[in-house]
Amino acid sequence: DQQVKQNSPSLSVQEGRISILNCDYTNSMFDYFLWYKKYPAEGPTFLISISSIKDKNEDGRFTVFLNKSAKHLSLHIVPSQPGDSAVYFCAAVAGGGATNKLIFGTGTLLAVQP
Amino acid sequence: DTGVSQDPRHKITKRGQNVTFRCDPISEHNRLYWYRQTLGQGPEFLTYFQNEAQLEKSRLLSDRFSAERPKGSFSTLEIQRTEQGDSAMYLCASSLGERTGHEKLFFGSGTQLSVL
Repeated sequence: DQQVKQNSPSLSVQEGRISILNCDYTNSMFDYFLWYKKYPAEGPTFLISISSIKDKNEDGRFTVFLNKSAKHLSLHIVPSQPGDSAVYFCAAVAGGGATNKLIFGTGTLLAVQP
Repeated sequence: DTGVSQDPRHKITKRGQNVTFRCDPISEHNRLYWYRQTLGQGPEFLTYFQNEAQLEKSRLLSDRFSAERPKGSFSTLEIQRTEQGDSAMYLCASSLGERTGHEKLFFGSGTQLSVL
């Protein structure tokens, strides 16, 4: 049972344009969400997070939007750069604050074309 | 920059052998996690420690798997009688332990296990 879903396995965008990565979840008890970036042969690196009490969080070129009613979040990267090419994982915390266990999606491979 | 360190980076073993991986978390971090990632999947939670106490174990962690964090610092993950299905990237992560449920995890580079 996949509680966190990333339905697009891959995405290709031009350098300088916006990248939008999507994530859906099914567990209404999730209250904290994170995005991680992963390069080949490396561990995931934290990008940005959002608490369920917010609907937007911004950090430089990265913005995460949360739509609780739709159980949907998205990561916007503007402008996209070739160095952003990586696999992006959406993750959610299970347990409503009682645990730090992250539940990950299957990832989206972003390719930014120069 | 002393991030999360994992050793070895790669391990090739024959089916039926035992293997042990080591993880050194960021020094001030109280919580340590083990995850497993297979091709095309996201990382899957295996277990986590608060200091030396193992607080949660996934159903994925069969009785062939054991994890320890004896002094609340480094951790080891042992797999006994390895099977081909154990082939995966084993990731270790740590976090400060100040705020349960709203912490970011810092991951190591992982140990890639191949069981022949």
